[in-house]
Amino acid sequence: GDSVTQMEGPVTLSEEAFLTINCTYTATGYPSLFWYVQYPGEGLQLLLKATKADDKGSNKGFEATYRKETTSFHLEKGSVQVSDSAVYFCALSDRGSTLGRLYFGRGTQLTVWP
Amino acid sequence: ETGVTQSPTHLIKTRGQQVTLRCSSQSGHNTVSWYQQALGQGPQFIFQYYREEENGRGNFPPRFSGLQFPNYSSELNVNALELDDSALYLCASSLAGASSYEQYFGPGTRLTVT
Repeated sequence: GDSVTQMEGPVTLSEEAFLTINCTYTATGYPSLFWYVQYPGEGLQLLLKATKADDKGSNKGFEATYRKETTSFHLEKGSVQVSDSAVYFCALSDRGSTLGRLYFGRGTQLTVWP
Repeated sequence: ETGVTQSPTHLIKTRGQQVTLRCSSQSGHNTVSWYQQALGQGPQFIFQYYREEENGRGNFPPRFSGLQFPNYSSELNVNALELDDSALYLCASSLAGASSYEQYFGPGTRLTVT
């Protein structure tokens, strides 16, 4: 079945450091891929998405490229800020009978120190 | 545009009791999905409602049930509560037929079962 494997955390970085959070997926079809962010005590916010192979999603300095050949969707940011501290979830969307059901990874806690 | 809202924010129940959680979908959306997020885990799909009918279900027992109303709002009901039901329950709405099946999440209801 469909699944997402995400780099385990926690990840601790200094401000302005480079961030990579790895994500790989298993899917029977051609899923859409997402990164969601969860701030303490809050629900999930969509950070970026990609709907087909080689698409690059980007938002707020974060980027991820849909790589079909390596079944990956790694999240990157060139210079993190303290305000980026949160839990990041990689997810894929099933385009089958259930409309957009999401399969999530376990999440990666990111802490950025000033 | 009104976002996804959920009520209540927090809830404490005793094992064996029943609980009802509520969700109002984002304006213009016709599909509601429910997810359970245990502490330190990624969200797990419970079920989805479309056109007031269940449209897919994850690996949850029948004591988890739901409803969708004509205005697309939804309820999640859990009977015979167990300690392991303690979690953040997230509601997400989406528009069936949209190309990316993008889901928008509410802030969640934190359920504690004692």
